[in-house]
Amino acid sequence: EVQLVESGGGLVQPGGSLRLSCAASGFTFSNYVMHWVRQAPGKGLEYVSSILPNGDITNYGNSVKGRFTISRDNSKNTLYLQMDSLRVEDMAVYYCARDKTGGFSFDPWGQGTLVTVSS
Amino acid sequence: QSALTQPASVSGSPGQSITISCTGTSSDVGNYNYVSWYQQHPGKTPKLIIYDVSNRPSGISNRFSGSKSGSTASLTISGLQAEDEADYYCNSYTSSSTPYVFGTGTKVTVL
Repeated sequence: EVQLVESGGGLVQPGGSLRLSCAASGFTFSNYVMHWVRQAPGKGLEYVSSILPNGDITNYGNSVKGRFTISRDNSKNTLYLQMDSLRVEDMAVYYCARDKTGGFSFDPWGQGTLVTVSS
Repeated sequence: QSALTQPASVSGSPGQSITISCTGTSSDVGNYNYVSWYQQHPGKTPKLIIYDVSNRPSGISNRFSGSKSGSTASLTISGLQAEDEADYYCNSYTSSSTPYVFGTGTKVTVL
């Protein structure tokens, strides 16, 4: 069974940093593009970032570009999101998602981890 | 990259059919057959229900169908059931610097 388990969320002050992790199991992690998607409280889904299987190409949403860094460790089957210069508007549940076999959609999703940005 | 436009809410009675629209531009929906749809029940994780405009993943009911015309994609739910009450989001691949964009989301209410 494919499983994605996020961790690392919590309370951080504006301007602070946090690193999220997503532990993958049940599939060959190194073969798949991986994504981060977020959802602010009571709001819709927002694309955050993607990384290709060998980590050489990354993409970011405009609102996080230059502040967030996606990475992966294929030896540990783990996806990461380093979040720096956090803002109140970054407060959200962060989901990791696998690229669907064949690409261009998100399936499955993890259960999410909540990031709270507040002073 | 602006979010794709969806109606805020759509409602229908059990057994009826409803359609949710997802309007983009020639940079996303209009240029790629990479539109997907997600169902999210309150407090739950999003679930893929349609990919590549009109394909259903294994295990998804055939009451869900997708289509596209120009820069507008659509999700139709036929034979509406109480369990279909949820939020629905479209997504498209884009040619912009941000490779994916989500829709604004639609709340489906079963009357």
